[in-house]
Amino acid sequence: QVQLVQSGAEVRKPGASVKVSCKGSGYSFTNYALHWVRQTPGQRLEWMGWINGGNGNTRYSQKFQARVTITRDTSASTTYMELNSLKSEDTAVYYCARVDSSGGGWFDPWGQGTLVTVSS
Amino acid sequence: EIVLTQSPATLSLSPGERATLSCRASQSVNSYLAWYQQKPGQAPRLLIYDASKRATGIPARFSGSGSGTDFTLTISSLEPEDFAVYYCQQRRNWWTFGQGTKVEIK
Repeated sequence: QVQLVQSGAEVRKPGASVKVSCKGSGYSFTNYALHWVRQTPGQRLEWMGWINGGNGNTRYSQKFQARVTITRDTSASTTYMELNSLKSEDTAVYYCARVDSSGGGWFDPWGQGTLVTVSS
Repeated sequence: EIVLTQSPATLSLSPGERATLSCRASQSVNSYLAWYQQKPGQAPRLLIYDASKRATGIPARFSGSGSGTDFTLTISSLEPEDFAVYYCQQRRNWWTFGQGTKVEIK
């Protein structure tokens, strides 16, 4: 079945960077776009950006545009999300999510989430 | 940015009761709206997309309706496993989420 498996929890100091991975299996990696979403401690969901699995084109939310980079390694069926200049407010669970099979651009399935803690 | 406002924040109901959740958009999203369910410690799961279509494997007790700016998720008869947080999402203009409605056991 389609599965997205993310890397483990991370702890960083303010000003540092973090890179989270998301490995896809059970589907043709290059045929689907993949999104990154984060969930704050207050439970709000924020869309960060997405990458086209085929050509690698990316689009980012204006909120994260200056600090986020999404890349992919097709040979490893893995997508990466790197967030720079971390602040305490970036403490959150970060999810990857594939676009759904209907082609409508919805998010299904999701990875299990990666907790990133930013603390001095 | 399109803002989605969900109401109520919390819904206290008993198993077997009907749940009605609302999502209002700050501008029209046509039918580009989805609903997700999230249980503690888990990722969100797609329930409804395009306002009224059930995702694969989703029970018929879940239904969605609406278009434009006002949308409703209805759970016809709550099962114990339905107590969770529900989020709406739009993709008319990028992607944004509502703040969630928690359905809790009364």
